[in-house]
Amino acid sequence: DTAVSQTPKYLVTQMGNDKSIKCEQNLGHDTMYWYKQDSKKFLKIMFSYNNKELIINETVPNRFSPKSPDKAHLNLHINSLELGDSAVYFCASSQAGTANQPQHFGDGTRLSIL
Amino acid sequence: AQTVTQSQPEMSVQEAETVTLSCTYDTSESDYYLFWYKQPPSRQMILVIRQEAYKQQNATENRFSVNFQKAAKSFSLKISDSQLGDAAMYFCAYRSVPGAQKLVFGQGTRLTINP
Repeated sequence: DTAVSQTPKYLVTQMGNDKSIKCEQNLGHDTMYWYKQDSKKFLKIMFSYNNKELIINETVPNRFSPKSPDKAHLNLHINSLELGDSAVYFCASSQAGTANQPQHFGDGTRLSIL
Repeated sequence: AQTVTQSQPEMSVQEAETVTLSCTYDTSESDYYLFWYKQPPSRQMILVIRQEAYKQQNATENRFSVNFQKAAKSFSLKISDSQLGDAAMYFCAYRSVPGAQKLVFGQGTRLTINP
């Protein structure tokens, strides 16, 4: 009964390639997020969608394009991968209007750029 | 913009002892939520405890408790009777009540438990 699931868990690829990470939640939440955790373990919000609408875009390069086909899914596509994109990417979800409830995180996708 | 600061990159404690992890934050909002998340080597993000800013009473969850000082903008985590399974990165996080409700994280504290 995985609440927030991300695929793949590991992604190793060459510079310049394009890759996607998928995220699905079965909690019935209406808001989903992408966070990036860098090599120093710092976690920072990238994007957030509420009911398929983009509500947060935190100065992320436009090589990163999130897509939300429905409120249970939020995918992240990355074009022209660079060395600095190596990180762990976490998907999370929550229900809008319930700030006291924790965000539920996926297990993360470790992206390694060779 | 809100910021969260964890000034202790690493902490260690003997098993069964008590340890306190520090967190300070900066905000102009009066209503918000604060969280502590644990990230073990498995990489999962696990909620440890949460605090609502309008509640003066400090939150507790079994061996975990917080010292919330709203005026000082301080939110420390106390772990009592430390266990080997408590070894992890601990992140303090801030969340606004209105608005997009993203989490703003501190830099993290790596906690080591010595047997």
